Amino acid sequence: NAGVMQNPRHLVRRRGQEARLRCSPMKGHSHVYWYRQLPEEGLKFMVYLQKENIIDESGMPKERFSAEFPKEGPSILRIQQVVRGDSAAYFCASSPLDRLGGDEQFFGPGTRLTVL
Amino acid sequence: AQSVTQLDSQVPVFEEAPVELRCNYSSSVSVYLFWYVQYPNQGLQLLLKYLSGSTLVESINGFEAEFNKSQTSFHLRKPSVHISDTAEYFCAVGDMDTGRRALTFGSGTRLQVQP
Repeated sequence: NAGVMQNPRHLVRRRGQEARLRCSPMKGHSHVYWYRQLPEEGLKFMVYLQKENIIDESGMPKERFSAEFPKEGPSILRIQQVVRGDSAAYFCASSPLDRLGGDEQFFGPGTRLTVL
Repeated sequence: AQSVTQLDSQVPVFEEAPVELRCNYSSSVSVYLFWYVQYPNQGLQLLLKYLSGSTLVESINGFEAEFNKSQTSFHLRKPSVHISDTAEYFCAVGDMDTGRRALTFGSGTRLQVQP
């Protein structure tokens, strides 16, 4: 049973380029979350999605960042016109539909974005 | 709004010694509580969780945590650590009462086990 898959694992972009990060949730999970981890800090929530819907984007920066979770295919976190401050590890997590597990989230290995 | 405080950013300890990693939280609603472990350059793995019932929860590798509602704490303990326990440990809370499903994380505690 494959876990949460993220790719690429490492991504290098120059300032002004676009970064696209992909996440495939665990089989049977319909909820996806994106978190950002800046160096020496904990994880900060960015966005929570279900298929074709953004449920909670309270942690997303207002500009340049967007996320989607289409009916088919992985969830995508897109960062336009990247700046050096976007350099971080971006983690995707997924959870099942029910809340029996107390909203336990299963994390992927992360994408480490470096902006030159 | 919720917040999680992990007062110790780093905890050095000798192998086979006991350790406690502290976690305090603040929340206006009832919470679920989690400890996650992160090994270098990897994602987070769930170590243990408190949902309800017994306030003492245990993991399969010897860690335990106790939920103390009056002190709003969920400290992590292990009576005897191994070198392999060296990692970053994150405490997190989830919202039990509302539909919000995002987790709020502490800033992490780096456990460094020395031989």
